Amino acid sequence: QVQLQESGPGLVKPSQTLSLTCTVSGVSISGGDFYWTWVRQPAGKGLEWLGRVYPTGTDYNAFFRSRLTMSLHTSTNEFSLKLTSVSAADTAVYYCTREAVTKNWFDPWGQGTLVIVSS
Amino acid sequence: DIVMTQSPDSLAVSLGERATINCKSSQSLFYDYIKKNYFAWYQLKPRQPPKVLFYWGSTRASGVPDRFRASGSGTDFTLTITSLQAEDVAVYYCQQLHATPYTFGQGTKVEI
Repeated sequence: QVQLQESGPGLVKPSQTLSLTCTVSGVSISGGDFYWTWVRQPAGKGLEWLGRVYPTGTDYNAFFRSRLTMSLHTSTNEFSLKLTSVSAADTAVYYCTREAVTKNWFDPWGQGTLVIVSS
Repeated sequence: DIVMTQSPDSLAVSLGERATINCKSSQSLFYDYIKKNYFAWYQLKPRQPPKVLFYWGSTRASGVPDRFRASGSGTDFTLTITSLQAEDVAVYYCQQLHATPYTFGQGTKVEI
């Protein structure tokens, strides 16, 4: 059974960098069959696709591209997200999830982690 | 970016009654060469991660009760709960996976 779990600080100061990790179990992230994806939900708002990372590259939402870095860490079977210069607008529940390259939906999802940007 | 517009934003339905949610895309999500719509529906309950209900427009995901129905193609899609149960109270989102950035509808809150 494939499982994903987000981890990272729940509180980040404005202008600093938000860093999250998604630990994957049940499948190797180094295979080329999946896109490893980050989605967030700001409070009271809908879901936003941030981007995805895979063995041969990344695809970012252009709205966030200048601030966003996603990486695969195959030795620990984790992938990560770094979002720089955060503001209150980046306060959200952050989810990691998976999209199969040959299929087009997100499943499974991590439980989500709330990140608050505040001084 | 492809804009996804859901309607209504919220609806209240009696137990056992039908709930219908619509989703309209700003461009066609149908890939003619594989005859599939790159479109999905998700259910989001409080304190739970999103759960995929349907993909490729109308293919039911594993474990989804058959009271959930999905239809549509191209730019217009519909999710129907034929007989609402208490556990169906949630926010439902549509999503396009036709082109990045993948985008979601604004969500439809279903209440009893």
